[in-house]
Amino acid sequence: GQNIDQPTEMTATEGAIVQINCTYQTSGFNGLFWYQQHAGEAPTFLSYNVLDGLEEKGRFSSFLSRSKGYSYLLLKELQMKDSASYLCAVSHTGGFKTIFGAGTRLFVKA
Amino acid sequence: EADIYQTPRYLVIGTGKKITLECSQTMGHDKMYWYQQDPGMELHLIHYSYGVNSTEKGDLSSESTVSRIRTEHFPLTLESARPSHTSQYLCASSEKLRDRYEQYFGPGTRLTVT
Repeated sequence: GQNIDQPTEMTATEGAIVQINCTYQTSGFNGLFWYQQHAGEAPTFLSYNVLDGLEEKGRFSSFLSRSKGYSYLLLKELQMKDSASYLCAVSHTGGFKTIFGAGTRLFVKA
Repeated sequence: EADIYQTPRYLVIGTGKKITLECSQTMGHDKMYWYQQDPGMELHLIHYSYGVNSTEKGDLSSESTVSRIRTEHFPLTLESARPSHTSQYLCASSEKLRDRYEQYFGPGTRLTVT
């Protein structure tokens, strides 16, 4: 079967660092996406990992361990505008179908 | 910036009505998708298309139907709306970029069936 788990909600302080974890069980794994979704808006692409290791892009970094079925999204120097849901999503072999987790709602407080 | 559009953005309709949700993209992408998302829940794939005249049902059973007569247009139709169809419907398209199919999402249609 297919299963993606991530925490439902997290709260962090402006300027801090937060790590959002994601574990997955799926057949035919191709890669892992992270998307950001503000309330009432469409998801937007943040990152994609296909190989093990850390990918850094500005304030956001994403890590993947394929053997452990585990990924995390690291957000540094948090800003109020980072308050949003963060969706972990797995891309299947063949690539064009993506399975989404329920998302982690992040609240950034002053 | 991605060019994918959905209309209407909001729709309130009575039970039993037939409705069509429109989705268009101007990027020339072959792959298009429809997702259903309830508040605070995951996106569920309900339909997808490989290209013109090619459509498939997704992972979540849906009473809706889709068509793909033109590359840029992927409408979703509900023949008889019911309150259980109340949800947000997101359309997306994708292209292959190096090692991945990155999906671009439209703004969504929030449907309420009374």
